[in-house]
Amino acid sequence: EVQLVQSGAEVQRPGSTVKISCKVSGFSFTDHYIHWVQQAPGKGLAWMGVIDYEDDETIYAEKFQGRVTITADKSTDTVYMELNSLRSEDTAVYYCAAGRSIIPGRSFQWFDPWGQGTQVTVSS
Amino acid sequence: DIQMTQSPSALSTSVGDRVTITCRASQSISNWLAWYQQKPGKAPNLLIYQSSSLESGVPSRFSVSGSGTEFTLTISSLLPDDFATYYCQQYKSYPYTFGQGTKLEIK
Repeated sequence: EVQLVQSGAEVQRPGSTVKISCKVSGFSFTDHYIHWVQQAPGKGLAWMGVIDYEDDETIYAEKFQGRVTITADKSTDTVYMELNSLRSEDTAVYYCAAGRSIIPGRSFQWFDPWGQGTQVTVSS
Repeated sequence: DIQMTQSPSALSTSVGDRVTITCRASQSISNWLAWYQQKPGKAPNLLIYQSSSLESGVPSRFSVSGSGTEFTLTISSLLPDDFATYYCQQYKSYPYTFGQGTKLEIK
């Protein structure tokens, strides 16, 4: 059973960079995609990007392209999401989630399970 | 990008009521649709995948229908535990997108 445990809440200044971790356990060889999703206060869910844990290939949403970097450290079974040039609109809860699919490959994936979420507050 | 539109955005309803939530896609997504339930302060929880497959442990009072561009999630008889926000998500193509959510509130 896959379990995802995220790092704790962060408070960051505008213009800075935040790096959130997502510790993965229980992976099988078919469960190797980790996605990141943003949820701003009172808002819905916005997909940010995905990493293939096996080959480190990433896909990013255009909205976050250029500011987000997703990496994986296989030695510690941890995935990281780094967001730079922070602004107040980046204040949100960030979730990692495992991608599941009925077919192999990086496409056609729903999310299950999810990490518990990490609150990021951007404030001067 | 594929736009997902849910209706209604919020619904004031009572225990025992039957509730239907609609999710429309801006283009055909076949059956590449999931539904999630989210409670305050918690991560979303998977309810449905492949537009009609109930995740293990999801009660049978939840049912779904639809394919292509229009989908519905029905809760046959609301229990107190069902008052939450529900999101649909398309995973036909990147960027994956979600509906804006439907919040079920107690009347």
